[in-house]
Amino acid sequence: AQKITQTQPGMFVQEKEAVTLDCTYDTSDQSYGLFWYKQPSSGEMIFLIYQGSYDEQNATEGRYSLNFQKARKSANLVISASQLGDSAMYFCAMREDSNQAGTALIFGKGTTLSVSS
Amino acid sequence: KAGVTQTPRYLIKTRGQQVTLSCSPISGHRSVSWYQQTPGQGLQFLFEYFSETQRNKGNFPGRFSGRQFSNSRSEMNVSTLELGDSALYLCASSPGNSPLHFGNGTRLTVT
Repeated sequence: AQKITQTQPGMFVQEKEAVTLDCTYDTSDQSYGLFWYKQPSSGEMIFLIYQGSYDEQNATEGRYSLNFQKARKSANLVISASQLGDSAMYFCAMREDSNQAGTALIFGKGTTLSVSS
Repeated sequence: KAGVTQTPRYLIKTRGQQVTLSCSPISGHRSVSWYQQTPGQGLQFLFEYFSETQRNKGNFPGRFSGRQFSNSRSEMNVSTLELGDSALYLCASSPGNSPLHFGNGTRLTVT
């Protein structure tokens, strides 16, 4: 069963605007981690931000923040003041913190973000 | 610090052949994992190695295998290639349960 859902195949935003990329997840584990990665057209996956299931504060990293709503099982990425270089595919991922899971990540299908001037 | 290095960047093989991909993790990282990315299936976990032992394995056939050496470098092997194995293969490393750092990937085309 799919455990990470990204419902927006594509998003379009203008420079300097804020944008929210949606992510919902499903797990029966109490301890888990949520990640966002950016993949430009060149192919490399760039780590953006992490939220642990027990973290009470929403994670922030520069222009990136994660809107974590545990009861709704959502972990939306907010990018403030979009830049042209933000145009890329964005993936939400989850790691279940059981011993058997190791560092294995479950990825969503991704959202393509296009930033225009 | 140097990032995760994957070689080769591009590879073209014929159906039925086998292929070996290489990954050098970030210095000090003992965990190396592999992912397959295709337009249809997205990103899927293949396996993870930690201190030369396979710690976890995804849902892939036995044609996909891997190993890790004492210096943490890892290789993955795909035997009897099928057209559907065409994909971007991404390697990632981490020191433990920290966020994964990915390489640039190896793009494999099977003809």
